[in-house]
Amino acid sequence: EIVLTQSPATLSLSPGERATLSCRASQSVSSYLAWYQQKPGQAPRLLIYHSSNRATGIPARFSGSGSGTDFTLTISSLEPEDFAVYYCQHHSNWPSFGQGTKLEIK
Amino acid sequence: EVQLLESGGGLVQPGGSLRLSCAASGFTFSSYAMTWVRQAPGKGLEWVSGISGGGSSTYYADSVKGRFTISRDNSKNTLYLQMDSLRADDTAVYYCAKVFHYYDKEYFDYWGQGTLVTVSS
Repeated sequence: EIVLTQSPATLSLSPGERATLSCRASQSVSSYLAWYQQKPGQAPRLLIYHSSNRATGIPARFSGSGSGTDFTLTISSLEPEDFAVYYCQHHSNWPSFGQGTKLEIK
Repeated sequence: EVQLLESGGGLVQPGGSLRLSCAASGFTFSSYAMTWVRQAPGKGLEWVSGISGGGSSTYYADSVKGRFTISRDNSKNTLYLQMDSLRADDTAVYYCAKVFHYYDKEYFDYWGQGTLVTVSS
């Protein structure tokens, strides 16, 4: 079973700053990794799939990179609506999620 | 516009049963695999179960295998999750989601708003 570990657990930044979130897999997952955003009281939203492909309607300030075991979600300039919890996800035998990174306003 | 609307959640005693439904619209339901993902209060996301577009293939997390049954009625554009032998640790918001396949891997591109299941005496 592949385990996804996200870091940091909490990231405190200000609007306009650059955010870098990390997801590390316990073994190689090639480029088969997605990122989701979840705001309080809402369902998750797919942001990025296959490491770097933006989902429909996702702003260009969101970008993903990485392959193998190390992946990064970058938000180039934080907007107020970007403060949320972010999860990475992989599908091997079954889908699995990382434990999440909370992006909070500093 | 893709819409997924869950229903059927509520309070149930340990050992009891509940059936969740997810009504889908805005896409050709029978052409897509579907899945259930849950989130315990204050916790992260946990995949629960998946089903192929035709319904012939089903998949379960170890934590629910033998207790939960996923099914679908493509004539009604509806996904189901039958939950039996419920335990306190099944308490969660249950989301249905549409599966998006890319390079034979599953991602979830549309989600319902979720329905809360509380298992307590």
